[in-house]
Amino acid sequence: KNEVEQSPQNLTAQEGEFITINCSYSVGISALHWLQQHPGGGIVSLFMLSSGKKKHGRLIATINIQEKHSSLHITASHPRDSAVYICAVRWGGNYQLIWGAGTKLIIKP
Amino acid sequence: EAQVTQNPRYLITVTGKKLTVTCSQNMNHEYMSWYRQDPGLGLRQIYYSMNVEVTDKGDVPEGYKVSRKEKRNFPLILESPSPNQTSLYFCASSPSQTGSDGYTFGSGTRLTVV
Repeated sequence: KNEVEQSPQNLTAQEGEFITINCSYSVGISALHWLQQHPGGGIVSLFMLSSGKKKHGRLIATINIQEKHSSLHITASHPRDSAVYICAVRWGGNYQLIWGAGTKLIIKP
Repeated sequence: EAQVTQNPRYLITVTGKKLTVTCSQNMNHEYMSWYRQDPGLGLRQIYYSMNVEVTDKGDVPEGYKVSRKEKRNFPLILESPSPNQTSLYFCASSPSQTGSDGYTFGSGTRLTVV
């Protein structure tokens, strides 16, 4: 049973397109994280959300707690945005994270 | 530079030969964790530590040991590696147990057990 589902699994788009990656979860959570894994393997934290919306540069993350759903948007996408984007949720009072399998994004020039 | 340093980056070893993957952070973070990443499965937590001398099992602890004798170091020990432990391993740290300030990951260790 996958408690954190990401969609799509793979996404290929043209440079400049608006990108949306989705994350749905089945448990009550206290926080949700979005991370980026570069083609070389390195992982970087992008956002932590417990409600509402956060923005950093061209990246926007939103969360709807009632619908158990979060989205990561990329505006004016660029080939350097090509990476695997991973969603992870922290549930209840537990400090452990449940990880999604990731969305592989390729932006073509 | 604030970072999490893992060593080695690549390791090929034989079944049963004890090995240690080191992890060190220079940010005075309380929380440290080990993950393994396998194709199609995402990251799975092996062990985590909320502070010095405090460690706990994650989702897949079998076949692994850890220790946290100092705040900065959190080595992962495989006493008797087996081929099913072939994987990409990541160490991560965070200022707080809640991860509210995000996580800093090491560059990863690609382990092959033959």
